[in-house]
Amino acid sequence: SAVISQKPSRDICQRGTSLTIQCQVDSQVTMMFWYRQQPGQSLTLIATANQGSEATYESGFVIDKFPISRPNLTFSTLTVSNMSPEDSSIYLCSAYTETAYYGYTFGSGTRLTVV
Amino acid sequence: GQNIDQPTEMTATEGAIVQINCTYQTSGFNGLFWYQQHAGEAPTFLSYNVLDGLEEKGRFSSFLSRSKGYSYLLLKELQMKDSASYLCAVNQAGTALIFGKGTTLSVSS
Repeated sequence: SAVISQKPSRDICQRGTSLTIQCQVDSQVTMMFWYRQQPGQSLTLIATANQGSEATYESGFVIDKFPISRPNLTFSTLTVSNMSPEDSSIYLCSAYTETAYYGYTFGSGTRLTVV
Repeated sequence: GQNIDQPTEMTATEGAIVQINCTYQTSGFNGLFWYQQHAGEAPTFLSYNVLDGLEEKGRFSSFLSRSKGYSYLLLKELQMKDSASYLCAVNQAGTALIFGKGTTLSVSS
């Protein structure tokens, strides 16, 4: 299955600033996704990153707050904009490829703390 | 809509067997996944069921009944290192995995 390199692994940011998280996959994948995992919670889907077009956002998530790019089939970024302490979470990217047995792999996550 | 339910917490002792249940209601279904997640780490794939029945893989087994919208993960010969969160996730064809809230399993000696 594909291997995802996600960075940064963690960051502490000031409120009102923005952070961009990057995910690089070692092979071309069909789809990429971004999830948020708040403390003690499960994974919540933020959006599907579409190659060459605007991302598809889930209910409760908007492009102005979480702009996403996917310029090619191996790379995607998620920006957390105008951060507040409520944005403190782990953010994970995921990739899906039809050729892998079970399809989905995850990056190692970015632990974000907003102060 | 989508709804995936699993117990919040479970406890067990070393060497025991534990069954973690998951029920789901989704508008489409293309498979059910179980992941293990230790604190501070990314989820790790455990099993995938798309057809009814039992899939066995070492100490871990997973069962699926599509007609009942039901799955379980069975962990045998529990070890301390099995203390983790177990996430049930459903795949709708060609889309992202949708996760349940997770079950935190605590294994004691």
